[in-house]
Amino acid sequence: KAGVTQTPRYLIKTRGQQVTLSCSPISGHRSVSWYQQTPGQGLQFLFEYFSETQRNKGNFPGRFSGRQFSNSRSEMNVSTLELGDSALYLCASSLAPVTSGTSTDTQYFGPGTRLTVL
Amino acid sequence: GQQVMQIPQYQHVQEGEDFTTYCNSSTTLSNIQWYKQRPGGHPVFLIQLVKSGEVKKQKRLTFQFGEAKKNSSLHITATQTTDVGTYFCAGPGRGGGSYIPTFGRGTSLIVHP
Repeated sequence: KAGVTQTPRYLIKTRGQQVTLSCSPISGHRSVSWYQQTPGQGLQFLFEYFSETQRNKGNFPGRFSGRQFSNSRSEMNVSTLELGDSALYLCASSLAPVTSGTSTDTQYFGPGTRLTVL
Repeated sequence: GQQVMQIPQYQHVQEGEDFTTYCNSSTTLSNIQWYKQRPGGHPVFLIQLVKSGEVKKQKRLTFQFGEAKKNSSLHITATQTTDVGTYFCAGPGRGGGSYIPTFGRGTSLIVHP
């Protein structure tokens, strides 16, 4: 079974631009979560999508948005890029939602997209 | 929001020595997960603990969940160079009124041959 794939793997943008990242989950997985990983803040939850609906959102500004398509593929968009948005953006897929009450389904991470903002 | 604290931040060991990383939460966790991220790689799920006092083993790795379900540990016996990486714990933390996956900052293990 193919793993989680993310495109592109590397991206260089300048301040003020916007960017769209793509994630294809493991076949059969309906939940896709997005994370930002930086040396300073570690791994932080951005949002989760399940059945095309955003279930939860972490503590990030509205410049960070996402969506999920009927085939469970997901995209996240960052508008008006800032230098501090430079990070590794990871998506993870799971069968069930990871923000379902107190349960946490196993997440499978993709290789990530390395975004550099100049 | 809730934080999951993890110590130490770094750990240097000689190959063959043991290694332990600790994870602590200010509130009770319903479950805790452990992940490993190799340098330049992505987090890979290792295990999930759910029960109070639970102990699980995977070859040289031993995972424990505290009786109060507020702390957890990962112990590696006789480290090998293949164990190099950052080990993260994660639990369902409260954020904005709902539960969101909350990761510790990770412990980076460096094994010297």
